[in-house]
Amino acid sequence: DGGITQSPKYLFRKEGQNVTLSCEQNLNHDAMYWYRQDPGQGLRLIYYSQIVNDFQKGDIAEGYSVSREKKESFPLTVTSAQKNPTAFYLCASSQFTEAFFGQGTRLTVV
Amino acid sequence: DAKTTQPTSMDCAEGRAANLPCNHSTISGNEYVYWYRQIHSQGPQYIIHGLKNNETNEMASLIITEDRKSSTLILPHATLRDTAVYYCIVRFNAGNNRKLIWGLGTSLAVNP
Repeated sequence: DGGITQSPKYLFRKEGQNVTLSCEQNLNHDAMYWYRQDPGQGLRLIYYSQIVNDFQKGDIAEGYSVSREKKESFPLTVTSAQKNPTAFYLCASSQFTEAFFGQGTRLTVV
Repeated sequence: DAKTTQPTSMDCAEGRAANLPCNHSTISGNEYVYWYRQIHSQGPQYIIHGLKNNETNEMASLIITEDRKSSTLILPHATLRDTAVYYCIVRFNAGNNRKLIWGLGTSLAVNP
């Protein structure tokens, strides 16, 4: 089945550690996105990529990094510079029209 | 992309139609209206979109007013599994999703 897969679903890390969230899609979509969702807030864009080897900062990119070496993959690294990393992270992909989302990764930093 | 306004929450009885309103008074002529929903702790799911005409698919119907300043998403026979947060978004269809403005949506509770 075509879709977008995020792993893991739950992730726990100690403060000060970098952590990488995985996002893979087999929809052959050019564009991929990372969002962050906090309680009581809408989705906020962290990074997006329109094509392989190219990505752009979204509204809240500070403390995050991404790579897009393959069309299918768009991993997000939450670095120790991110002040409040505990959140629900959503990856999405699209090809001109609607966005398709993964099931999300809930990151908790203790 | 234009912003939208939705009620914070709504209730609906199981088996009845759920009508979710959305105001988008600043929508421009070539912007589409998109609806997504998000069940708790899952990723948003696309429901339907439209430009001017009413649209229907297996999930829902979308009614857009003639002046396009508001729309209504209709779930014809709501079930308990339709309990979710529903987001109304306007965007240029030929563009990409990076400029989408995600509000807080409408939290729909379907009651038995």
